[in-house]
Amino acid sequence: DTGVSQNPRHKITKRGQNVTFRCDPISEHNRLYWYRQTLGQGPEFLTYFQNEAQLEKSRLLSDRFSAERPKGSFSTLEIQRTEQGDSAMYLCASSGVASGAREQFFGPGTRLTVL
Amino acid sequence: AQRVTQPEKLLSVFKGAPVELKCNYSYSGSPELFWYVQYSRQRLQLLLRHISRESIKGFTADLNKGETSFHLKKPFAQEEDSAMYYCALSNTNAGKSTFGDGTTLTVKP
Repeated sequence: DTGVSQNPRHKITKRGQNVTFRCDPISEHNRLYWYRQTLGQGPEFLTYFQNEAQLEKSRLLSDRFSAERPKGSFSTLEIQRTEQGDSAMYLCASSGVASGAREQFFGPGTRLTVL
Repeated sequence: AQRVTQPEKLLSVFKGAPVELKCNYSYSGSPELFWYVQYSRQRLQLLLRHISRESIKGFTADLNKGETSFHLKKPFAQEEDSAMYYCALSNTNAGKSTFGDGTTLTVKP
């Protein structure tokens, strides 16, 4: 499967714990995006990378959230001191900028439940 | 600020009837508009983009800059079109993308 993959698919944690999610983009894509989606809403932009550089962060991304893409390949999203309000689906997407392609390819998401 | 509005949460039509899913946007620059679709138990995937001016699965969408709209249309809906549809706007440098809250389309037999 050459699509975007995300791990884990589901995560249940207790309030106050730290969690980390991984996203593996399509190999030739240099842009990687993170979104959060809650029930009844569309994906909300969190941040995006071009290669290893984090170019934009949403104000939604509090200081408890950090994302990295150390070698311009896979990315991790860490949430520290989780809160119940962090419960959501976390989506990753990637795109290639070659020939102006801006279509984003989405992963299956990681569903986080904070108890 | 970027904003995408999909005024209908739910839309139900009968098979063979025309369907239009509405999308309005606000953006100060030249936006790129997309429609994404999510079928049951599948991941979000691109349906079409305004820059391509293409028809996918019988769907078309025209960017109307005067009305700041990008409505999705299909003349004859099919049952397999039942899904969640999201309108999305990408800013000029293909960075931040803003999605609407989606419209659930149900096509009844």
